[in-house]
Amino acid sequence: GQNIDQPTEMTATEGAIVQINCTYQTSGFNGLFWYQQHAGEAPTFLSYNVLDGLEEKGRFSSFLSRSKGYSYLLLKELQMKDSASYLCAVRGERGSTLGRLYFGRGTQLTVWP
Amino acid sequence: AAGVIQSPRHLIKEKRETATLKCYPIPRHDTVYWYQQGPGQDPQFLISFYEKMQSDKGSIPDRFSAQQFSDYHSELNMSSLELGDSALYFCASTIGGTGELFFGEGSRLTVL
Repeated sequence: GQNIDQPTEMTATEGAIVQINCTYQTSGFNGLFWYQQHAGEAPTFLSYNVLDGLEEKGRFSSFLSRSKGYSYLLLKELQMKDSASYLCAVRGERGSTLGRLYFGRGTQLTVWP
Repeated sequence: AAGVIQSPRHLIKEKRETATLKCYPIPRHDTVYWYQQGPGQDPQFLISFYEKMQSDKGSIPDRFSAQQFSDYHSELNMSSLELGDSALYFCASTIGGTGELFFGEGSRLTVL
């Protein structure tokens, strides 16, 4: 089966740095995604890690350790507009699932002024 | 840049009616996924298509069916609608089931 865990809620203040952790146990692994989702809107792609290490994109960075089944999303210089749900998703192995994403429940981040 | 296009954006139906949602993937993307997201829930995988063939099936009710057409757009057909089908339905696309996966804006279905 697939098991993806991330904290339900986090809070931080404007300008701060926040790290959202994600641990996973899946029957196969072919990449990990982070998405941002505002209420009632579509998930917006943030990052994709398939190899171990850190991927940096502006204020957002994502880290992956495949041996530990662990990833984190780092958000720097937080802004009010960063208040959203952050979804960790793991892509299953190729073959029959052909790239299906398994989602965590999402971490609701609230940024305070 | 072109994104995944979904229509309609909002749809209101009554119980036992039928509904059809459409998805137009990013140009050159050959793989389409359908997800259902209820209020406060994570997206649940329904079904996917690769090169116009069903490639994977998730928790899609038998009342639902889908297909991918020659131009790679996909349609999700839902019949005998139930109140519990009220949700956001997202379509996502990628190339060959690999690489970055992008979501459309979603179709909000409300069943009364």
